Amino acid sequence: GAGVSQTPSNKVTEKGKYVELRCDPISGHTALYWYRQSLGQGPEFLIYFQGTGAADDSGLPNDRFFAVRPEGSVSTLKIQRTERGDSAVYLCASASQRGPQETQYFGPGTRLLVL
Amino acid sequence: AQSVSQHNHHVILSEAASLELGCNYSYGGTVNLFWYVQYPGQHLQLLLKYFSGDPLVKGIKGFEAEFIKSKFSFNLRKPSVQWSDTAEYFCAVNGVTGGGNKLTFGTGTQLKVEL
Repeated sequence: GAGVSQTPSNKVTEKGKYVELRCDPISGHTALYWYRQSLGQGPEFLIYFQGTGAADDSGLPNDRFFAVRPEGSVSTLKIQRTERGDSAVYLCASASQRGPQETQYFGPGTRLLVL
Repeated sequence: AQSVSQHNHHVILSEAASLELGCNYSYGGTVNLFWYVQYPGQHLQLLLKYFSGDPLVKGIKGFEAEFIKSKFSFNLRKPSVQWSDTAEYFCAVNGVTGGGNKLTFGTGTQLKVEL
């Protein structure tokens, strides 16, 4: 049981390639978040889903980044035309969305390296 | 916009020493406050949280934090650290009014406890 799971744990790709990162939230959690953590920094917010819809995508750095959550459970973060600067740990978190007083639970992250 | 500042980037202590890690936030409204910990090789875990009520919050493993609204601070304390407390500690804030549910993290404090 289960916590938040993320796959793959590590991903190495070449500049210009497309990657998909997957997040499987805690069962029953309706809220799902993606964050990005660069070396020496704290996690930075990317996008938030409430159910199937993206309620806040203000943290996505540009239009190369896109995320979906078609059935309100598993989410996929998609990065097109990857750049070396995209190298980071991508974290997913989920919450039961009980209003403003919610606690987010984090997965182990996917470490992305763009060569 | 909300922001978090953690003043100590690296802290080295001997076992049994007392710990205080500083955290200050910037946000004009009501906030939820969190401390997360990341042990070596593990994912982010919740240490403690403040939503409302008693400003002195107790968390796991003997940690506590005090919310001082007038100082916009939420410092983490532990009276006597153990070698197993070696980890990276992140302070995070979520603005309740208008900030959505996204967390804003500080840059983290790397704590090393020596035997």
